[in-house]
Amino acid sequence: KQEVTQIPAALSVPEGENLVLNCSFTDSAIYNLQWFRQDPGKGLTSLLLIQSSQREQTSGRLNASLDKSSGRSTLYIAASQPGDSATYLCAVGEYNTDKLIFGTGTRLQVFP
Amino acid sequence: ETGVTQTPRHLVMGMTNKKSLKCEQHLGHNAMYWYKQSAKKPLELMFVYSLEERVENNSVPSRFSPECPNSSHLFLHLHTLQPEDSALYLCASSPGTSGRPDTQYFGPGTRLTVL
Repeated sequence: KQEVTQIPAALSVPEGENLVLNCSFTDSAIYNLQWFRQDPGKGLTSLLLIQSSQREQTSGRLNASLDKSSGRSTLYIAASQPGDSATYLCAVGEYNTDKLIFGTGTRLQVFP
Repeated sequence: ETGVTQTPRHLVMGMTNKKSLKCEQHLGHNAMYWYKQSAKKPLELMFVYSLEERVENNSVPSRFSPECPNSSHLFLHLHTLQPEDSALYLCASSPGTSGRPDTQYFGPGTRLTVL
């Protein structure tokens, strides 16, 4: 059974720092992996999707990498800003199913 | 604006009440989902509908009853809920048909409190 873990659970940093959020999964036979952002009391916004054949995806200050063999993905946030404060969730997609398996998230706070 | 709307945004109900949550997607997608998000737990998939047919029921108790009258609308009917059912209920949609984990687009959620 696939399990997804995110470390750390919470992170508080000053503005301007470069950050790495970690996601690990137990079964490497994944179809894709997605990173989402969730603001308090709101729904999820998709940030990046990495197919199983890809190593990384970039969007602006965000870069997500995928290492299937080791069961890991990282989300790198460059030059963090207070507006980046949110919970970041990773989710693994598997073959032959719609189902996404989510981690519990990393709650990020960036202070000025 | 994600193109997925949910109403109501907040709901407080007693254990004997019957209520319904509504989700509408304006994206022309084929698949719709209900998720439950409880504090300090991963999102739990409840139901998946593809082209208006239920393709997955993730062992959800019968006090939750989904309905998908067309590809744009999804309901979650609630009756005789328990306090532990209090959570954020999220609706999502995706472009493809079932069997492939596409990018999902989420609504803002309904915060449900069961007294």
